[in-house]
Amino acid sequence: DTGVSQNPRHKITKRGQNVTFRCDPISEHNRLYWYRQTLGQGPEFLTYFQNEAQLEKSRLLSDRFSAERPKGSFSTLEIQRTEQGDSAMYLCASSFGTATNQPQHFGDGTRLSIL
Amino acid sequence: AQSVTQLDSQVPVFEEAPVELRCNYSSSVSVYLFWYVQYPNQGLQLLLKYLSGSTLVKGINGFEAEFNKSQTSFHLRKPSVHISDTAEYFCAVSHDTGFQKLVFGTGTRLLVSP
Repeated sequence: DTGVSQNPRHKITKRGQNVTFRCDPISEHNRLYWYRQTLGQGPEFLTYFQNEAQLEKSRLLSDRFSAERPKGSFSTLEIQRTEQGDSAMYLCASSFGTATNQPQHFGDGTRLSIL
Repeated sequence: AQSVTQLDSQVPVFEEAPVELRCNYSSSVSVYLFWYVQYPNQGLQLLLKYLSGSTLVKGINGFEAEFNKSQTSFHLRKPSVHISDTAEYFCAVSHDTGFQKLVFGTGTRLLVSP
C-alpha cells in the first residue's frame, strides 16, 4: 500500500497562470475526492469521481476549476487564470467500494501559492 | 445540510495529562462520524470512525471517542498525551446515503508541552 500520492507538493505561480495538479489514488480504490483547505480551516469538498465518472462537481468553486479522471486511475485538477484567492492546500483522497461508510485516505496535498 | 462545530481552536496541555477535544454536529439524517489528525505540511490521517453499534470507539495512538446522539456530539479523548500528539485535529461527518462527502469542522490545534 503506497498510499495516495499527489504532485507537485508545492506550486508557486503568478496570478493569471494555469496550474494542474495530479493525484494517484491507492491502486484498488475506485472513488476519488478533491478537497481544498485554506489557512485555519478544515478541508472543503470540491468534487468526486467513481471510477472515471465525475458524479458530483457542483462544489467546484467556479468554471475556472475542472477535474478529470481518465480511465478511472489518476486524476488531475486544473485551475485556469489563477487568482490570489486560489492560494490554498489542495487535497486528494480515495476510498474503496460503493458503501458510504468506507473511510477516505488522504494524500499529503499540493500547496498552491499565487504571487 | 450537515455542519460540524469544533468550539476550541487551540487546546494547550502538559505531557502525560488527559485531553478532550470537543466536536458537535448537526444533521437531519443519520451520519457517520470521523476524527482525522493532520501534522504540519501533511495530509489527513484517520484516527477513528463511528459507523454504528457501540458508541465508544477506539482508534490509533491511544485515542478514543464517544458518540452521543442526544447531544449530537463526538468528543475525542486521550488519557495521557505525548509531545508527538501535537497536531491539528479535525472532526468530520458524512451522510449514510449517497456518496461520502465529508464535512469538516475548523479544527482544533492540540499543543502538548513538557
